Amino acid sequence: EAGVAQSPRYKIIEKRQSVAFWCNPISGHATLYWYQQILGQGPKLLIQFQNNGVVDDSQLPKDRFSAERLKGVDSTLKIQPAKLEDSAVYLCASSRGGADTDTQYFGPGTRLTVL
Amino acid sequence: AQTVTQSQPEMSVQEAETVTLSCTYDTSESDYYLFWYKQPPSRQMILVIRQEAYKQQNATENRFSVNFQKAAKSFSLKISDSQLGDAAMYFCAYRAQKLVFGQGTRLTINP
Repeated sequence: EAGVAQSPRYKIIEKRQSVAFWCNPISGHATLYWYQQILGQGPKLLIQFQNNGVVDDSQLPKDRFSAERLKGVDSTLKIQPAKLEDSAVYLCASSRGGADTDTQYFGPGTRLTVL
Repeated sequence: AQTVTQSQPEMSVQEAETVTLSCTYDTSESDYYLFWYKQPPSRQMILVIRQEAYKQQNATENRFSVNFQKAAKSFSLKISDSQLGDAAMYFCAYRAQKLVFGQGTRLTINP
């Protein structure tokens, strides 16, 4: 079974530029998560999708971050415009359903550096 | 709000020895799940072990076991017979509605 795929693995941009990250979850997984992991910290949930609907986006900075999951499969996370404090690893995860019992499987992440 | 605290930023252990990583959490929920994830330099978070709060028996997975003390809100991870491949960041996590992670403990294995 293929794991969660993410691209790109690395991205370097100037502040005020835009950037987008892509995630392909494990086949058949209905729930998709985006996390932000700042250096030296644990991941923090940004947004959770159940199929193509948003379940939780309470910690997503909506003035600059947006995410979509068209057709309930792949997802894209966008930052526009980027700030220095957005430098982090962005992790995508998926689970079979959205229940508390479901294990989340993580992708390799995208390391973003904002200069 | 739920919080997860890992009080050991770094730990080291000799190869083949046993090490215990600490974790405490704060919650008012009675039904929840606890996890330990491993994050090697490749950055991919790998599930090591999980514990359901309603289960009194401590979870075990081969060389990995937990000591779950619900009343004390403590959830430590014991790694037996440490191997070089165990070197990584270890994150304790709690889930009721959403997954909340601790700050992590960097584990070094000395050959």
